[in-house]
Amino acid sequence: GAGVSQSPSNKVTEKGKDVELRCDPISGHTALYWYRQSLGQGLEFLIYFQGNSAPDKSGLPSDRFSAERTGGSVSTLTIQRTQQEDSAVYLCASSLDVHRGTRTDTQYFGPGTRLTVL
Amino acid sequence: AQSVTQLGSHVSVSEGALVLLRCNYSSSVPPYLFWYVQYPNQGLQLLLKYTTGATLVKGINGFEAEFKKSETSFHLTKPSAHMSDAAEYFCAVSESGIPTFGRGTSLIVHP
Repeated sequence: GAGVSQSPSNKVTEKGKDVELRCDPISGHTALYWYRQSLGQGLEFLIYFQGNSAPDKSGLPSDRFSAERTGGSVSTLTIQRTQQEDSAVYLCASSLDVHRGTRTDTQYFGPGTRLTVL
Repeated sequence: AQSVTQLGSHVSVSEGALVLLRCNYSSSVPPYLFWYVQYPNQGLQLLLKYTTGATLVKGINGFEAEFKKSETSFHLTKPSAHMSDAAEYFCAVSESGIPTFGRGTSLIVHP
């Protein structure tokens, strides 16, 4: 079966432009996460979607960042007015979340989108 | 609040040697702990996880980790390194369902 897919794999943009990053989670997975991976910084949590619940946006670094998840499946992360410090790899993960509240779910990661802001 | 510290951004071993990647955590509740591996240009893949029960956890590719509450540690080991083990390894701790990841340790394997 297909894993988590992300597109594009690479994105180069100019400072000030808007970008959209797409994530297709594993079918049937109700939970979806976005992370940012900067060089030598590990993974920084951005946002979490669980079913029809309101998303946990506590990790979004500024109001230039937003995300949507349509129909409980595909998600789009949008960065407006990109800055050079936004350059990073953006990772998406999904999980079954059947053990919600017990914190044991395994996350399945996509290959990421490498964003470069010139 | 939860946090993870991975000691050493790079670990270098010879092929066939013991692999030891260190992870210490901080958690206000009994932790759930994870190790993930990331190969070049790929996403993270779960190696193993500790939830409850046996403190020695076995994972894929011959890796294992031991949860030591008294030391707040969850170090990853493998008896004999292979060239194919060269990758980035991340330790993570989860309290509320959203894990916190360490900064990662790059494992370098020399022939």
